[in-house]
Amino acid sequence: EAQVTQNPRYLITVTGKKLTVTCSQNMNHEYMSWYRQDPGLGLRQIYYSMNVEVTDKGDVPEGYKVSRKEKRNFPLILESPSPNQTSLYFCASSFRKNRGSYEQYFGPGTRLTVT
Amino acid sequence: AQTVTQSQPEMSVQEAETVTLSCTYDTSENNYYLFWYKQPPSRQMILVIRQEAYKQQNATENRFSVNFQKAAKSFSLKISDSQLGDTAMYFCAFMKQYFGNEKLTFGTGTRLTIIP
Repeated sequence: EAQVTQNPRYLITVTGKKLTVTCSQNMNHEYMSWYRQDPGLGLRQIYYSMNVEVTDKGDVPEGYKVSRKEKRNFPLILESPSPNQTSLYFCASSFRKNRGSYEQYFGPGTRLTVT
Repeated sequence: AQTVTQSQPEMSVQEAETVTLSCTYDTSENNYYLFWYKQPPSRQMILVIRQEAYKQQNATENRFSVNFQKAAKSFSLKISDSQLGDTAMYFCAFMKQYFGNEKLTFGTGTRLTIIP
């Protein structure tokens, strides 16, 4: 089954304790991305990756890091989490199909609370 | 930069009725995609329908259809014969059509409740 998986699904942590949210896709997609969802703001892009070892900032990258050492994995790293990073996080992946047939697949989401 | 506006934070409708969710966007691009995503209480993001800007014909997927007005930069979603399972948050999203960052720019969402 084609899917994007994220772990953990729920996480409560304290300020300053480094954490990693994993993302993995089994569709051989080249493109992967992280979004955060906050009430009243919709989803906003944090980082994206066009391929292995190719990553770049999205709209809200402050306080986050990513890496892309393998095509299937795209972990999100919070080196020193703060309460304003409490949010719902989504990983997404895609590959461009023929013009007119495009879809981005989303993971199930990770609810992060930083106290 | 692109912006997407959903002006209806909440809507409710009786089961079996038709409901239309509004979305407007601002862009200087000529080639792009527009999407409607559904987010039920499970929080999963589910693609409902997709429209390519170069296509004049409005997209349809079973009970879901769109009214795409390119000149007006409007992209509304119509749900016909609404069902209880349609209760969810709905997001409108925009993406430029080019070989680069495939960023989706989302609106703030419309919470739709279907009343039994």
